Amino acid sequence: GQQVMQIPQYQHVQEGEDFTTYCNSSTTLSNIQWYKQRPGGHPVFLIQLVKSGEVKKQKRLTFQFGEAKKNSSLHITATQTTDVGTYFCAGPRAGANSKLTFGKGITLSVRP
Amino acid sequence: DTGVSQNPRHKITKRGQNVTFRCDPISEHNRLYWYRQTLGQGPEFLTYFQNEAQLEKSRLLSDRFSAERPKGSFSTLEIQRTEQGDSAMYLCASPTSDGYTFGSGTRLTVV
Repeated sequence: GQQVMQIPQYQHVQEGEDFTTYCNSSTTLSNIQWYKQRPGGHPVFLIQLVKSGEVKKQKRLTFQFGEAKKNSSLHITATQTTDVGTYFCAGPRAGANSKLTFGKGITLSVRP
Repeated sequence: DTGVSQNPRHKITKRGQNVTFRCDPISEHNRLYWYRQTLGQGPEFLTYFQNEAQLEKSRLLSDRFSAERPKGSFSTLEIQRTEQGDSAMYLCASPTSDGYTFGSGTRLTVV
């Protein structure tokens, strides 16, 4: 079945440092979505990328969808303590229904 | 309030007991998804409904699990004869044009 991989699962950064994480799917995706989950909370939608090579920015966050639509990246510029949480990527397999397959997520901690 | 309501928020039950969770999705949204999330994992798909029809079930959904959406509005997820391995967060979601909107989840602890 479809697998979505996020490695590593944990990353610790100093406040102000940049942070980049990657997501890889075993199958071509029709779109890629990113979610953020704070400790004790539920996943909250951040963004969706649909087109091959698409890049979108949200303030200090930059998201990219790979040319083959099988991988994606999230880059955070000048991390802040408010960026703490677990970031998940998820996507439906191309041609499938909208059921999302999630990666295991990367938990980001930020040292003040 | 996310627009998706789940209750109870927490449930502690003894092994072997039956439990039922409820999800009220975003009003008039046809599709509804159930996911399960354990510690250190991403949400894992369990099942989804299009109106009242259950269209897909994961292999994770053993015979002890049953889900319904009788009138195409709210949904229930029942687990019979709970096991310790059922301890998890059970999440309900409404898909929108901006991704999934998840409810706050029901955290189940089986003791």
